[in-house]
Amino acid sequence: DIQMTQSPSSLSASVGDRVTITCRASQSIGTYLNWYQQKPGKAPKLLIYTASTLQSGVPSRFSGSGSGTELTLTITSLQPEDFGTYYCQQSYSSPVTFGQGTRLEIK
Amino acid sequence: QVQLVQSGAEVKKPGASVKVSCKASGYTFSNYYIHWVRQAPGQGLEWMGVIKPTDATTAYAQKLQGRVTMTMDTSTNTFYLELSSLRSEDTAIYYCARTLYIPLYDFWGQGTLVTVSS
Repeated sequence: DIQMTQSPSSLSASVGDRVTITCRASQSIGTYLNWYQQKPGKAPKLLIYTASTLQSGVPSRFSGSGSGTELTLTITSLQPEDFGTYYCQQSYSSPVTFGQGTRLEIK
Repeated sequence: QVQLVQSGAEVKKPGASVKVSCKASGYTFSNYYIHWVRQAPGQGLEWMGVIKPTDATTAYAQKLQGRVTMTMDTSTNTFYLELSSLRSEDTAIYYCARTLYIPLYDFWGQGTLVTVSS
């Protein structure tokens, strides 16, 4: 199975900050990487797929980059509604695996 | 609009089985695979398996093999997840989610809490 490791596990940032979350894969996954945001009590929401494609309706302050074993999610100009837990998920091979999550708190 | 509506919360005793449903609407049923993902309290997301709606082919996570069964009813556009021999560590929220062939989940059910407790 491909192991996905996110860093940091948690972070606290202020409104307007730029935030970067990294996802490292135990082997190359190309750009077969998706990002989700989950808020308490809710299902995950797809933000970015195939590493850098913004899902319809997702604000443009979210972006993704990278390929291979290191991929990143960036939020420019953090907004109050961006709190929650972010997960990466590889779709390169079965079984699907997720990162352990990054909890983002707004200061 | 696309909807995946899941059945309500369940409380089960260890050793029992549970069956969770996921009713799909607002899209062409046969075009999208349905995956099941679970989340234990305060934990991350765990993939459980997938069912292909055109022929009901399934693939399951190795750790759940022998305990998990995914089925569907094309007459009602409903998918089912059954988990048997329940243990306390199966306590989790169970989600269904749709995807095309490459697994990226654009719509999710609202989740079903399954609690396993004696």
